[in-house]
Amino acid sequence: EPEVTQTPSHQVTQMGQEVILRCVPISNHLYFYWYRQILGQKVEFLVSFYNNEISEKSEIFDDQFSVERPDGSNFTLKIRSTKLEDSAMYFCASSYTSGGGELFFGEGSRLTVL
Amino acid sequence: SQQGEEDPQALSIQEGENATMNCSYKTSINNLQWYRQNSGRGLVHLILIRSNEREKHSGRLRVTLDTSKKSSSLLITASRAADTASYFCATPSTKLVFGQGTRLTINP
Repeated sequence: EPEVTQTPSHQVTQMGQEVILRCVPISNHLYFYWYRQILGQKVEFLVSFYNNEISEKSEIFDDQFSVERPDGSNFTLKIRSTKLEDSAMYFCASSYTSGGGELFFGEGSRLTVL
Repeated sequence: SQQGEEDPQALSIQEGENATMNCSYKTSINNLQWYRQNSGRGLVHLILIRSNEREKHSGRLRVTLDTSKKSSSLLITASRAADTASYFCATPSTKLVFGQGTRLTINP
């Protein structure tokens, strides 16, 4: 069964460093998403991406964050200068349709900022 | 907001019993979806029920939808230890927004 894969599974970084989280969505999906879950809290929407541009972003997704689909398969989330409060699980998701379709989630990348 | 709110926040039952979780939402919907999250893992889609459906089954899962009350319920029958997880409902618009979920614990 096709699945969304994320790397790395766990990354530890120093505050102020840049981090890139990578995702390979399901191959025929067209819509891509990043979500974040701080330990013990709910899963929060960060950004959606379609046709090589951001469709929607939350207030969490400030200028420190960016997303890119550099080739036909990868979908990346970059955090330019990490802060302690960026420590969280980051989930990538993809779907074939927008506005109501089922989302397929990866297993997440745990980011720890020291 | 399209966010669903799950109730109860936590539920603990014995293995073999049925577990019922509820979801309320605020706006009109095209569909409502239920997801499961095992601790520290990604969310897994369980079932989607369309606004013109009242009930849907998938294995041991039964979902109901009452659009007049803007509510849905998820019933897991004959629960197993492996059903221990958090369960979320979501009512999509341009994105899925998740509530706090129901944390279900199945005791052996």
